[in-house]
Amino acid sequence: AQKVTQAQTEISVVEKEDVTLDCVYETRDTTYYLFWYKQPPSGELVFLIRRNSFDEQNEISGRYSWNFQKSTSSFNFTITASQVVDSAVYFCALSEAWYGGATNKLIFGTGTLLAVQP
Amino acid sequence: DAMVIQNPRYQVTQFGKPVTLSCSQTLNHNVMYWYQQKSSQAPKLLFHYYDKDFNNEADTPDNFQSRRPNTSFCFLDIRSPGLGDAAMYLCATSSKQGKETQYFGPGTRLLVL
Repeated sequence: AQKVTQAQTEISVVEKEDVTLDCVYETRDTTYYLFWYKQPPSGELVFLIRRNSFDEQNEISGRYSWNFQKSTSSFNFTITASQVVDSAVYFCALSEAWYGGATNKLIFGTGTLLAVQP
Repeated sequence: DAMVIQNPRYQVTQFGKPVTLSCSQTLNHNVMYWYQQKSSQAPKLLFHYYDKDFNNEADTPDNFQSRRPNTSFCFLDIRSPGLGDAAMYLCATSSKQGKETQYFGPGTRLLVL
């Protein structure tokens, strides 16, 4: 069965610290996708990144970076020089291809609440 | 900008009084999803439309229904809201082609009195 585990329920850091959010997944599919979403207090889920199972290249986007390692089934997210605006709940998600591959059901982790203190 | 819009952002209803939540999209996506998210929990998929085909999750209560009159709009109907239905309701869309990323609307917070 597919499963996503975010073991860190809450993390608190001081502004400008680096922080890594952990995500471990389980799937029997050979083709799958991994996502990170940010949910600020306003409630909207904001898409951050999508990675497919064949692409293990790490990704960097500004202060954000992602480390995908199939060998450990992990897809960790690092924020460098954190800012107060980074305070949010971050969800890692796994999608399984279904319905002829045309839609995908997202399996969410339980989320990590990141609090960045000024 | 192309986007997913949800109205209203906040909805208050009474126990047992039917309520309808609205979602529209300008992304021209084929797939539309409804999620329920309770406090401090992950979003839970209720159902989705793939074009006009409705796909219900096995554990979605019958109290929840949906309509998709056209590509752009999708509605969530709660026939008899209970106190346990108070939650954030998130609409999302994805294309049946491409990278299948789901894009979410801002959500509707439902309060049941």
